[in-house]
Amino acid sequence: AQTVTQSQPEMSVQEAETVTLSCTYDTSENNYYLFWYKQPPSRQMILVIRQEAYKQQNATENRFSVNFQKAAKSFSLKISDSQLGDTAMYFCAFMKPPGGDMRFGAGTRLTVKP
Amino acid sequence: DAGVTQSPTHLIKTRGQQVTLRCSPKSGHDTVSWYQQALGQGPQFIFQYYEEEERQRGNFPDRFSGHQFPNYSSELNVNALLLGDSALYLCASSLERRTYGYTFGSGTRLTVV
Repeated sequence: AQTVTQSQPEMSVQEAETVTLSCTYDTSENNYYLFWYKQPPSRQMILVIRQEAYKQQNATENRFSVNFQKAAKSFSLKISDSQLGDTAMYFCAFMKPPGGDMRFGAGTRLTVKP
Repeated sequence: DAGVTQSPTHLIKTRGQQVTLRCSPKSGHDTVSWYQQALGQGPQFIFQYYEEEERQRGNFPDRFSGHQFPNYSSELNVNALLLGDSALYLCASSLERRTYGYTFGSGTRLTVV
């Protein structure tokens, strides 16, 4: 069974600085997808970034980038130039094709301080 | 373009009762998945509906059932409510179960007393 572990329950960062959130996962699959979702107080889960396991190049979306280490089964999220609006819960998630059951970690609560 | 719409926003039920939660997927999406998110935890997969059939199910008892309608909207039914069913129930939609990532609604907060 696939499991996702986020070892940092809470983190904080000063506005405009960079922060990295950690995620590890366990799977015997070779083809899968990894995601970072953001959940602000509004409760809606918002897709931040997506990585396909067969692609070695790390995904990037504006200020958000990942460090995907397939052999180590690690998938960390780096947020550059942190903004107050980045304050939220961040969830790492795993899914194998053809989709369906998306496995989430327990989340990391990120606070961006002014 | 409307996103995923869930109703109601909040709900309070008594132990032993039954509840129905509703979800309208994002326009153009035909697949609906339901997740339960207990306080302080990540979401857990309940089941997924595609073409009006339950295609995949997580580790939830038969008290949890669902339905998908021809317009792709979906319902989640929970019978014989337990205190432990108190959670945020999230609906997510996608196109044909593709792995591009789901679009989530804002959820229904269910409190069982």
